[in-house]
This record gives sequence, structure tokens and C-alpha cells, in this order.
Amino acid sequence: GAGVSQTPSNKVTEKGKYVELRCDPISGHTALYWYRQSLGQGPEFLIYFQGTGAADDSGLPNDRFFAVRPEGSVSTLKIQRTERGDSAVYLCASSLNRGVENRLPYNEQFFGPGTRLTVL
Amino acid sequence: DAKTTQPPSMDCAEGRAANLPCNHSTISGNEYVYWYRQIHSQGPQYIIHGLKNNETNEMASLIITEDRKSSTLILPHATLRDTAVYYCIAGNDYKLSFGAGTTVTVRA
Repeated sequence: GAGVSQTPSNKVTEKGKYVELRCDPISGHTALYWYRQSLGQGPEFLIYFQGTGAADDSGLPNDRFFAVRPEGSVSTLKIQRTERGDSAVYLCASSLNRGVENRLPYNEQFFGPGTRLTVL
Repeated sequence: DAKTTQPPSMDCAEGRAANLPCNHSTISGNEYVYWYRQIHSQGPQYIIHGLKNNETNEMASLIITEDRKSSTLILPHATLRDTAVYYCIAGNDYKLSFGAGTTVTVRA
């Protein structure tokens, strides 16, 4: 079946511009996550959605970053006034539900291929 | 989440078992051990997880020490396609805290 898809695969922009990154999760997955991966490092958590609401946005680095999931499926990560330090691979993942913490069986996170963002 | 320590890299011969160690000495009683891997230019892929019992699935086995302070991921018959960065994560949260992982290179 179809996995998590992300568009675009690559995005080059100039410092100060606005960008939107899209994530299409696996159909039926209620939980959606965004991570950011800088070169040579592991992914870092940004935000978690359960359905339409952002249940945890504690990983967003500052208020230039915002994410939405209006219908509980597709999500968009929005970055305003991009800076060179925002250059990274932005990964999206989805899972059936939150798992573990609420004592449901652990549901693995399925990751998309990522969007490579380059800010010049 | 508990901090994990993994060797930065290791080599493995194709067809042989690969044993990947992970130290998580500060793990708490309700924290799980998860393993994910990331093949070059792809997103991470779930491998296995466990709490205190050893676990096995079609991809790998997870051996957790009795004191839960360390674990070993075993790839029973490594193939060239197993070349990847392997992440050991200790936690009980949806927020996966990836470290730097172990870069595993399987050689023919």
C-alpha cells in the first residue's frame, strides 16, 4: 500500500522567504509527526498531531514555524522568514495512534522520504 | 527520555550476524527500548521494540539485559541492504529522541 508521501522532495529558497512543506500520511493514521534532520545528526522532534489538533508542538524552534492539519489527514509545515539555519531534511511520520503512553500496543511510526530544504 | 550510547560505526560481513550494542543505563521502569534504522536518503524505518523481555520479529532480535541498562540488536544474517544508520531509543513517549546512531556497513 501507499506509504507516507512528502512534497516537494527538494526545495531551494532564499533567506527571508516563506515555504510550505506538505505531508500525506498513510490513510487511516490518526497520529502525525514532523521531525527535522540536520546533516550528520538524527531526526529531532518538532510537532505531533492527534487528528486535527496539535497535541504537542514543543519541538518547534520558534514562532516562525507553524504546522496545520485541518482535516485530520494532510499536514502542512509552514516556515516564515526562512534563515540559512533552517536548511535541513524535514521528515513526516504517521502512526495508527499514540500507543505506549496510553497503554495501547505500540504503533510504529512510518516515515516519509523527507523534504530537503536549502535556504540560500 | 533516557540517554542512549551507541558506537559510532561498525562493519559486518555479509551473511554473518550483526550485533549492535546500546547502553541506556539511566532507563526508567516504564521506558521502552526502540530500534529504528535509516537507509541513505530515506526516512527512518521501525525495526523492533521491547520493555524487558527479549523480542524477535522477521527483521531482528532484541536482547535486553536483566537490569535493562543495555541491549543488543541482532540482525541474524546481514545483507548489503542492511547497510544503514541504526538508532537505539529509550523512552515511553511518542517523541522519538534519535541520537547519532551507529553507522553499520555490511561488506561483501
